Amino acid sequence: DGGITQSPKYLFRKEGQNVTLSCEQNLNHDAMYWYRQDPGQGLRLIYYSQIVNDFQKGDIAEGYSVSREKKESFPLTVTSAQKNPTAFYLCASSIAANTEAFFGQGTRLTVV
Amino acid sequence: AQSVTQLDSHVSVSEGTPVLLRCNYSSSYSPSLFWYVQHPNKGLQLLLKYTSAATLVKGINGFEAEFKKSETSFHLTKPSAHMSDAAEYFCVVSDQVGRGSTLGRLYFGRGTQLTVWP
Repeated sequence: DGGITQSPKYLFRKEGQNVTLSCEQNLNHDAMYWYRQDPGQGLRLIYYSQIVNDFQKGDIAEGYSVSREKKESFPLTVTSAQKNPTAFYLCASSIAANTEAFFGQGTRLTVV
Repeated sequence: AQSVTQLDSHVSVSEGTPVLLRCNYSSSYSPSLFWYVQHPNKGLQLLLKYTSAATLVKGINGFEAEFKKSETSFHLTKPSAHMSDAAEYFCVVSDQVGRGSTLGRLYFGRGTQLTVWP
């Protein structure tokens, strides 16, 4: 079954700890994206990658890091530098930039 | 610059009545436009897309949207609401032509929460 898998669904961390959110796709898509969703703010782009070994900052990249070593995987690390990390994080992929994106089920991160 | 404005943050309708969710966009180039739906604590699902073919686009679950270039609008409609339509809806714009690393980025509206009353 093709799709995008985000894990875990819920994640709790203590303040000051780095945490990595997983995103895997088996759709053979070149482009992958990370979004953050907060109530009433829609989706804001954190990072995106149009091809393996390349990625660009989105609108709110500060305090986050990514890697794209494999086409299938685009993990997001939320570092201790991110001032307000509690949010719902969505990963997406598309066959190319400008085409429709397919979304994972999201990871809800709570930092206490 | 590209942007999307969803004109209503909340829309409430009765079951069986029409749904209208409004979206205006700005784009420097020929846009692709999408509507997505999100149920609570879930990812986003594509409802329909416009990519410069027919201006009236039909999507899943009885939804459709009309691209009006003169009004820079892409409103989402459904003739008869169902309880299962209650969710958040996002209008999204992407450029077909751009420069450098911004090519093909998706720009999301802030969302419209649809409530359906029995």
